[in-house]
Amino acid sequence: ETGVTQSPTHLIKTRGQQVTLRCSSQSGHNTVSWYQQALGQGPQFIFQYYREEENGRGNFPPRFSGLQFPNYSSELNVNALELDDSALYLCASSQTGSTGELFFGEGSRLTVL
Amino acid sequence: EDQVTQSPEALRLQEGESSSLNCSYTVSGLRGLFWYRQDPGKGPEFLFTLYSAGEEKEKERLKATLTKKESFLHITAPKPEDSATYLCAVQANSGGSNYKLTFGKGTLLTVNP
Repeated sequence: ETGVTQSPTHLIKTRGQQVTLRCSSQSGHNTVSWYQQALGQGPQFIFQYYREEENGRGNFPPRFSGLQFPNYSSELNVNALELDDSALYLCASSQTGSTGELFFGEGSRLTVL
Repeated sequence: EDQVTQSPEALRLQEGESSSLNCSYTVSGLRGLFWYRQDPGKGPEFLFTLYSAGEEKEKERLKATLTKKESFLHITAPKPEDSATYLCAVQANSGGSNYKLTFGKGTLLTVNP
């Protein structure tokens, strides 16, 4: 059974740039959620994708956007990066959209300078 | 708005010294309360789900309990490998919010040999 994989693991961007983060869900899971975890904080919900549609969204501006592909993999795109976007971005997959039993990847560490 | 408060922020124990971590929550109808473990530089790992007051779950040296206002994670005779950040999260039962988890900031547990 393949777990959740994320890429890249680390990246550095400058303010105003754009970034794309990628996630492959665990085998058999059709739902992907993205969370942002700032240093010393708990994960904060960004949005969830189910059957290639955004299924729910947290309090994040529109410059945070995503995609889900037919194979259930997903992308998180962030435009016009700000310093406060520096964080660990976590992808989690699940068998359904309404379960809280999430399987997380190891995250993508984004640093914005 | 759903809220989760965890205490203490950090806890240092000697190997074999039992203790408890607290998670207080407010949620508009609890669908589930979840405990996760997070090692440094890794994504959270699912531990337990609790659904109703009075419920208890056990796994090795860990036992999670739930009341209507809080949850406890009891650690019995901890070992150094139990050192990690323990995250508590709630999922609401109200329409439109049952797809996301609201996390606390976590408790950093260090177990010294």
